[in-house]
Amino acid sequence: EVQLVESGGGLVQPGGSLRLSCAASGFTFSSYWMNWVRQAPGKGLEWVANIKQDGSEKYYVDSVKGRFTISRDNAKNSLYLQMNSLRAEDTAVYYCARDWGYCSSTSCYTCLDYWGQGTLVTVSS
Amino acid sequence: AIQMTQSPSSLSASVGDRVTITCRASQGIRNDLGWYQQKPGKAPKLLIYAASSLQSGVPSRFSGSGSGTDFTLTISSLQPEDFATYYCLQDYNYPVTFGGGTKVEIK
Repeated sequence: EVQLVESGGGLVQPGGSLRLSCAASGFTFSSYWMNWVRQAPGKGLEWVANIKQDGSEKYYVDSVKGRFTISRDNAKNSLYLQMNSLRAEDTAVYYCARDWGYCSSTSCYTCLDYWGQGTLVTVSS
Repeated sequence: AIQMTQSPSSLSASVGDRVTITCRASQGIRNDLGWYQQKPGKAPKLLIYAASSLQSGVPSRFSGSGSGTDFTLTISSLQPEDFATYYCLQDYNYPVTFGGGTKVEIK
């Protein structure tokens, strides 16, 4: 059974740092792109970042560039999100999600087929 | 960044109704679009990928269509378990962006 379990959320002051973890099991972690998606309280979904299978490519939403770093440890089946210089607007539930990565003959598509339960990050003084 | 505009933002419908949700991209995105369903307090669930391909295990009453800038998610006969919020997602280019969501409520 595929499982993704996030941890590391909590209350942090503005300007502070936090490191989220996502423990994966039930599939070959090193074969999939992985993503972080967040959801502010009562708001919609926002894609945050993703990382290629071997960690050689990483992409971010503009609002977190230079502050957040996505990484992975395939030996530990784990995904991470290092969050620095946190702001009130970073308050959200953070989900990790696996990208099934369906590819046709002409294109590849983001298919977030498994998600964790989310971990809440609250940035407040 | 590509903007994804969903409409309506909410709707009320009855069990058995046909429901249509639209998503418009600020520029052409071929068919690089997915649809997700989210229930309160739960993680999103993938319904449709590549604009019209049904994810394994998703009931056939869900269907997607469209290409370029205009896309549609249709629920052919709304069931009680379908009351939720629906999001489109484009992955034509980075950053990946979601639509604002459509909340489907019981009439």
